[in-house]
Amino acid sequence: GQNIDQPTEMTATEGAIVQINCTYQTSGFNGLFWYQQHAGEAPTFLSYNVLDGLEEKGRFSSFLSRSKGYSYLLLKELQMKDSASYLCAVMDSNYQLIWGAGTKLIIKP
Amino acid sequence: NAGVTQTPKFQVLKTGQSMTLQCAQDMNHNSMYWYRQDPGMGLRLIYYSASEGTTDKGEVPDGYNVSRLKKQNFLLGLESAAPSQTSVYFCASTLTGESGYTFGSGTRLTVV
Repeated sequence: GQNIDQPTEMTATEGAIVQINCTYQTSGFNGLFWYQQHAGEAPTFLSYNVLDGLEEKGRFSSFLSRSKGYSYLLLKELQMKDSASYLCAVMDSNYQLIWGAGTKLIIKP
Repeated sequence: NAGVTQTPKFQVLKTGQSMTLQCAQDMNHNSMYWYRQDPGMGLRLIYYSASEGTTDKGEVPDGYNVSRLKKQNFLLGLESAAPSQTSVYFCASTLTGESGYTFGSGTRLTVV
């Protein structure tokens, strides 16, 4: 079966760095996405990785290792507004997105 | 504002009632999707449409129907609502999958 695993909840301190991990087992791979979802709102696109390595976009970076079925989202200089759920999703061989359950990130002052 | 518009935002139905959730996008995207989101679970695909006039079942299609008569609109119907269909429903669209999906603001449906 297809499976996306990510921690249910994480807590971090304002100004710090946090890494949210995602492991996946899917039928085929056509890229991995990270989305941010604030409570009661729609998911919004953060990043897309299809090749191994690190993609940096401001305070957010995303890493992919296809051989390990592993990705992480790195958030630097955490701000209170970063409190949200972070969703990992993999595009399978049929170009359909398989979604993880999301990681709720709590930022404390 | 350009994007994906969903209506209604909130709805309460009685068991057995029917309704249609509306979704419209003005980005000329080819593909459109209907997801449901339940606590502790990932987004689950109900139906999708790769182009105007075509639709396909996703992971959880039972109890739902869809139509894509126009490129910009994707409708989700509940024929006879059940309490198990209480959920938050999201519509999404994409030009190409790699470009990422744009989501509507969601419809919070409660079936009593």
